[in-house]
Amino acid sequence: KAGVTQTPRYLIKTRGQQVTLSCSPISGHRSVSWYQQTPGQGLQFLFEYFSETQRNKGNFPGRFSGRQFSNSRSEMNVSTLELGDSALYLCASSLVAGDRGNSPLHFGNGTRLTVT
Amino acid sequence: AQSVTQLDSQVPVFEEAPVELRCNYSSSVSVYLFWYVQYPNQGLQLLLKYLSGSTLVKGINGFEAEFNKSQTSFHLRKPSVHISDTAEYFCAVGPQGAQKLVFGQGTRLTINP
Repeated sequence: KAGVTQTPRYLIKTRGQQVTLSCSPISGHRSVSWYQQTPGQGLQFLFEYFSETQRNKGNFPGRFSGRQFSNSRSEMNVSTLELGDSALYLCASSLVAGDRGNSPLHFGNGTRLTVT
Repeated sequence: AQSVTQLDSQVPVFEEAPVELRCNYSSSVSVYLFWYVQYPNQGLQLLLKYLSGSTLVKGINGFEAEFNKSQTSFHLRKPSVHISDTAEYFCAVGPQGAQKLVFGQGTRLTINP
């Protein structure tokens, strides 16, 4: 079974631009979560989608948004990029939303975004 | 709210030596506990999880962890490490029934030959 696929692996953008990251979950998984990983702040939860609906959101500004399609694939968008948005963005899929115990997260290899 | 403290940012050990990576957590509600490993240029991989029951849980690659409710700890151990265990290890907590996980800052495990 294929794992979580994130594209692209690397991105370089300029301040003020916008970017879209893509995530394809494991087949059969209906929930997709996004995390930001930086050396200073560590891993921080961005949001989770299930059945095309945002179920939970972390403490990030409105410049960060996402969506999920009917095939469970998800995209994350960051508008008006800032230098501080440089990070590894990790997508994780799970069978269902919530209940992390019985529906653990499976992570992709991430998209490394560099903002110059 | 939940929080996780990984007490060591870096742990160097010699190959075939035992290792313990320490994790303390804080929560006012019941939580699930997890350890994830991140190899260079990769995402996170689940090592093991504690949901309930036996306080000693076994995971992949020979790792195990012990849940101690009174000390609010969930330390990760391996009796004999290999070069291939070089990676960053993350402890995480998730409130039962909730979606998001709260991660610790990570412990970088370096294995010296």
